[in-house]
Amino acid sequence: KAGVTQTPRYLIKTRGQQVTLSCSPISGHRSVSWYQQTPGQGLQFLFEYFSETQRNKGNFPGRFSGRQFSNSRSEMNVSTLELGDSALYLCASSLAYQHNEQFFGPGTRLTVL
Amino acid sequence: AQTVTQSQPEMSVQEAETVTLSCTYDTSESDYYLFWYKQPPSRQMILVIRQEAYKQQNATENRFSVNFQKAAKSFSLKISDSQLGDAAMYFCAYRSFGGADGLTFGKGTHLIIQP
Repeated sequence: KAGVTQTPRYLIKTRGQQVTLSCSPISGHRSVSWYQQTPGQGLQFLFEYFSETQRNKGNFPGRFSGRQFSNSRSEMNVSTLELGDSALYLCASSLAYQHNEQFFGPGTRLTVL
Repeated sequence: AQTVTQSQPEMSVQEAETVTLSCTYDTSESDYYLFWYKQPPSRQMILVIRQEAYKQQNATENRFSVNFQKAAKSFSLKISDSQLGDAAMYFCAYRSFGGADGLTFGKGTHLIIQP
């Protein structure tokens, strides 16, 4: 069974631009969570989607948003990029909402110049 | 809010020896899950072991085992017979039973394996 896939793997943007990251969960998994990893703040929860609905959200500004499609694939969007948004963005999938086991993708490395 | 603390930024162990990574957490909840994740240089987060708080028995996965002390809010990871492939960042993580805040991670411990 294929694992979680994330595209693109690397991305370079400039301040003020917006970016969309994509995540395909493991087949059969219906919940997708997003995390931001930076050297300073470590790993922080962004949001969780299940059945095309955002179920939970971390403490991030409204510039960070996401959505989930009927096939469980998810996208996250960051608008008006700031230098501090440079990070590794990790997607994790799980069988269902609030399921206790999450499987992570390889991440998307976003660099904001 | 829950917090997870890993007090050892870096640990070093000789190949084939045993090492223990520490983790403490703070929560007011009684039902929750605890995890250890491994992140090698590839950056892929890999689940190493999981513990449900309601289970008194410590979880074990091959060479990996935990010492879960619920009253002390401690969750340490023991790696036996360390191998070169164990070298990675190790993150302790907490998730409440309801899972409303996703996973809460510690800052990580960088494990070095000396050949």
